[in-house]
Amino acid sequence: SQTIHQWPATLVQPVGSPLSLECTVEGTSNPNLYWYRQAAGRGLQLLFYSVGIGQISSEVPQNLSASRPQDRQFILSSKKLLLSDSGFYLCAWSRDRGANYGYTFGSGTRLTVV
Amino acid sequence: GEDVEQSLFLSVREGDSSVINCTYTDSSSTYLYWYKQEPGAGLQLLTYIFSNMDMKQDQRLTVLLNKKDKHLSLRIADTQTGDSAIYFCAERYNFNKFYFGSGTKLNVKP
Repeated sequence: SQTIHQWPATLVQPVGSPLSLECTVEGTSNPNLYWYRQAAGRGLQLLFYSVGIGQISSEVPQNLSASRPQDRQFILSSKKLLLSDSGFYLCAWSRDRGANYGYTFGSGTRLTVV
Repeated sequence: GEDVEQSLFLSVREGDSSVINCTYTDSSSTYLYWYKQEPGAGLQLLTYIFSNMDMKQDQRLTVLLNKKDKHLSLRIADTQTGDSAIYFCAERYNFNKFYFGSGTKLNVKP
């Protein structure tokens, strides 16, 4: 069966520090991968998605970047965090490119920038 | 998210039915979804409905879709305390992209 792992679960970082969040998927190949952010009391915002190694689409211009160095690995990064980067970050994958059957989400990383 | 609207809170007693409502804006959405988020966890896909359907039933869950009014609802029969969570509706608006609502927090009282 397929599983998706995200780490760390929680993170407290000072303003201006770098960020690296990692997501890996097991049990499938060539998954479509996504990074979402959930701000407090709000819905989810799509940040990045990837349909293959090295292929990244950015949805929202911001302080963050994403990379996919391996088929089942998706990394969210920042060189210098801002206070506004605080939130709950969720990685997800879909079997099909159209995500017709929805996503499978990881357990999330709660990031607090202080 | 801002195009998908949900009420923020719903409180019901254990054993009652819960109905969570959602309105969306894109009439061309082909798939609509309900997700459940338990505290501190990611979102779990509960069910989805194709836009050519009016209703879908899956055990205790019933999804109703009114395309004319762009209204989606999730009914949970015989609500249990384990159903307490935040429920998100989502519409697929473009290929693999979704708008999510801000979530409805369901509180089930024993």
